[in-house]
Amino acid sequence: DIQMTQSPSSLSASVGDRVTISCRASQNIRNYLNWYQQKPGKAPKLLIYAASTLQSGVPSRFSGSGSGTDFTLTISSLQPEDFATYYCQQSYSIPQYTFGQGTKLEIK
Amino acid sequence: QVQLVESGGGVVQPGGSLRVSCAASGFSFSSYGMHWVRQTPGKGLEWVASIRYDGSNKYYSESVKGRFTISRDNSNDTLYMQMDRLSPEDTAVYYCAKEGVVVNGYHFDYWGQGTLVIVSS
Repeated sequence: DIQMTQSPSSLSASVGDRVTISCRASQNIRNYLNWYQQKPGKAPKLLIYAASTLQSGVPSRFSGSGSGTDFTLTISSLQPEDFATYYCQQSYSIPQYTFGQGTKLEIK
Repeated sequence: QVQLVESGGGVVQPGGSLRVSCAASGFSFSSYGMHWVRQTPGKGLEWVASIRYDGSNKYYSESVKGRFTISRDNSNDTLYMQMDRLSPEDTAVYYCAKEGVVVNGYHFDYWGQGTLVIVSS
């Protein structure tokens, strides 16, 4: 099974900061990587798919990059509504859609 | 707009059964694969099961294979998960999720609000 490891597990940042979250796959998954945002008590929301394609309606301050085993989610200028937990997910080895353990982004 | 509404969660004893449902609207349900994903309290996300748009193929995680059954009723735009031989480790919020248009892999573009299943004596 493909394992997905996110770093850091938690992160404190301020409004306006540039933030990067990393996701590493245990083997090559090409660009079959998705990012989701989850706020407390809510369902996950798709942000980015295929490593770098922004889902419709998602603000352009969110971007994704990477291929192979190493991927990055970047928020260019943090807004108050961005404080949430972020998950990566691989869709290369389907139907075993493995998620990362999550990165909790908190207000500094 | 796309809506997915889960129902059927509750408290069940170990070894018991439960069926959760997901009512879909706002899109052509019969054209998309559907998925169940669960989240244990305070923990991360775990893919549980998938079903193709026409119900022809079904897939399960190892943790539920042989105990859970995913199905769909395309005439009523509803997704189901029959859960048998439940154990406390199955306690979680269960989300249904719609498959997005396939572009360099699959993704889940819409999710329901989730239904909580508690397995406890």
